[in-house]
Amino acid sequence: DGGITQSPKYLFRKEGQNVTLSCEQNLNHDAMYWYRQDPGQGLRLIYYSQIVNDFQKGDIAEGYSVSREKKESFPLTVTSAQKNPTAFYLCASSVRMRTGELFFGEGSRLTVL
Amino acid sequence: EDQVTQSPEALRLQEGESSSLNCSYTVSGLRGLFWYRQDPGKGPEFLFTLYSAGEEKEKERLKATLTKKESFLHITAPKPEDSATYLCAVRGPTDSWGKLQFGAGTQVVVTP
Repeated sequence: DGGITQSPKYLFRKEGQNVTLSCEQNLNHDAMYWYRQDPGQGLRLIYYSQIVNDFQKGDIAEGYSVSREKKESFPLTVTSAQKNPTAFYLCASSVRMRTGELFFGEGSRLTVL
Repeated sequence: EDQVTQSPEALRLQEGESSSLNCSYTVSGLRGLFWYRQDPGKGPEFLFTLYSAGEEKEKERLKATLTKKESFLHITAPKPEDSATYLCAVRGPTDSWGKLQFGAGTQVVVTP
């Protein structure tokens, strides 16, 4: 079945450590996104990518980094520079950039101890 | 800054008790309003896209409508399986194509 796979589902990190969240899609979608969700707030865009080897900062890119070396993969690294990294992270993809119909993965919950 | 506000924050319904959720937005030159459903601990699932005032979309017990400043998601005769958080998102004229502005959502609980 086609879809978006995020891993790990749960992740615990000590302060000062970098962590990488995986996102893989087999939908053949060009565009991929990373959103962050906090309780009581709307989803906020971290980074997005329209094509391989190209990506753009979203509203809250500070303390995060991404790469897009393959069409299917868009990993997110949460660096030690991110001041409040505990959150629910959602990866999404879309057929093309001109649509708001995003397909989301099941999310990764990161907790910093 | 453009804003998206959803109300109420939470809604508790009896099975069969119809109701409406509201999504108001301040963006001018809307380039799309989107509704999503999110189950606990899961990613959102796309429901509808609306582009112009007067437009309506339906799916099973859900009906979305759009005016110039707000959208409504009507839930008709809800069932317990309609329990979820419903998210609204907009794209404005200055938003790059990859960026949606999401509201905080309305948590709906439908009891038997």
